[in-house]
Amino acid sequence: QVQLQESGPGLVKPSQTLSLTCTVSDDSISSGLYSWTWIRQPAGKALEWIGRLYASGNTNYNPSLESRVTMSTDTSKKQFSLKLRSVTAADTAVYFCARAIYGRVNYSYYYYMGVWGKGTTVTVSS
Amino acid sequence: QSVLTQPPSVSAAPGQKVAISCSGSTSNIGSSYVAWYQQVPGTVPKLLVYDNDKRASEIPDRFSGSKSGTSATLEITGLQTGDEADYYCGTWDSRLSAGVFGGGTKLTVL
Repeated sequence: QVQLQESGPGLVKPSQTLSLTCTVSDDSISSGLYSWTWIRQPAGKALEWIGRLYASGNTNYNPSLESRVTMSTDTSKKQFSLKLRSVTAADTAVYFCARAIYGRVNYSYYYYMGVWGKGTTVTVSS
Repeated sequence: QSVLTQPPSVSAAPGQKVAISCSGSTSNIGSSYVAWYQQVPGTVPKLLVYDNDKRASEIPDRFSGSKSGTSATLEITGLQTGDEADYYCGTWDSRLSAGVFGGGTKLTVL
């Protein structure tokens, strides 16, 4: 069973860049079958989709975060990464990485996250 | 403000049935399959249902999903105290070109 593990600083100063990495336990990161997704959850609040990317480098970002987000992959290391610039206290959350399946059939899209990392807490504070 | 709308909370007694609704629009639920996730507080979300009505691996048949138009429903029968959790619907929004979630529904088994 594939496993995902987030890593990165737990504390980031306001206005700086939050950088997280997700390490995938198998070679599926190189497969075009999956999209690699970041999701966050502030304490006591709902899940928020941040964005996703394919091993090819194609990306989609949450429009509300798009101006500050960059995602990338390093298939040789079986990793994908998230960078969120100019952070504020509102970016404090648990950040999850996930493996998603996406496609289109009969004019309908399907998209769901079948495997999740355990999550990592990031606090934005000086 | 979440793109998909869910009731904040639902409750029912053990053994009873509960339905959790998820309302969207033509650009998301109306043109995409819906997934449902269960999150016990303090734990990682777990995929319950995908493609509107397919149960994920090892999910009991007490959990079932359906979709009609721009709304979807998760039904849980034979409620158990272990079902107490937050439930989220999610899908793809073709107008936003983004994944979207509901605001979550807290299930209390009285």
